[in-house]
Amino acid sequence: DVKVTQSSRYLVKRTGEKVFLECVQDMDHENMFWYRQDPGLGLRLIYFSYDVKMKEKGDIPEGYSVSREKKERFSLILESASTNQTSMYLCASSPGVDPNSPLHFGNGTRLTVT
Amino acid sequence: GEDVEQSLFLSVREGDSSVINCTYTDSSSTYLYWYKQEPGAGLQLLTYIFSNMDMKQDQRLTVLLNKKDKHLSLRIADTQTGDSAIYFCAETADSWGKLQFGAGTQVVVTP
Repeated sequence: DVKVTQSSRYLVKRTGEKVFLECVQDMDHENMFWYRQDPGLGLRLIYFSYDVKMKEKGDIPEGYSVSREKKERFSLILESASTNQTSMYLCASSPGVDPNSPLHFGNGTRLTVT
Repeated sequence: GEDVEQSLFLSVREGDSSVINCTYTDSSSTYLYWYKQEPGAGLQLLTYIFSNMDMKQDQRLTVLLNKKDKHLSLRIADTQTGDSAIYFCAETADSWGKLQFGAGTQVVVTP
């Protein structure tokens, strides 16, 4: 089974801190994604990457950046955390260009910014 | 951008059928998905349908697609308490796995 592991289940950070959310997948997937989930809004795509060192903006990239130095790892960075970034963050991966292959999700990181 | 809309809440009695509805706006959608999220967990794929199909059945799950009306539904037969979860409708028009999700429907199954 594909495993997508997010390093933290819960994080509490202060406004202005730099925050790193880490995600690792073990199935050699090309594509990786960061979503945030908010009640009533569903999942919104922040950034995605379809190859090492490649990144593409999603629908809500403002206030975030990403890093993909290795194929298995995709990091989400909040340069200066703000309270409106309090949310559930979900990482996902998928293999190459086959639309049959679904996204595989991690269990999420619940971030609270105080 | 593209929109995917779902009702936010559904209550159903154990043993009854549940029907969760979804509408989408992107006419170039090629695949449509249903994901399930249980409390404290990520999303898991339940089923998907290709846009040239009208219906897909998988055990207790039936997916109906009306491409003309851009309407997708998920029917769960003989709903059980373990079916209580949030169900997300999603669509994609590309092959990279970049999905557009709805807001999710919270399904509560009562005894």
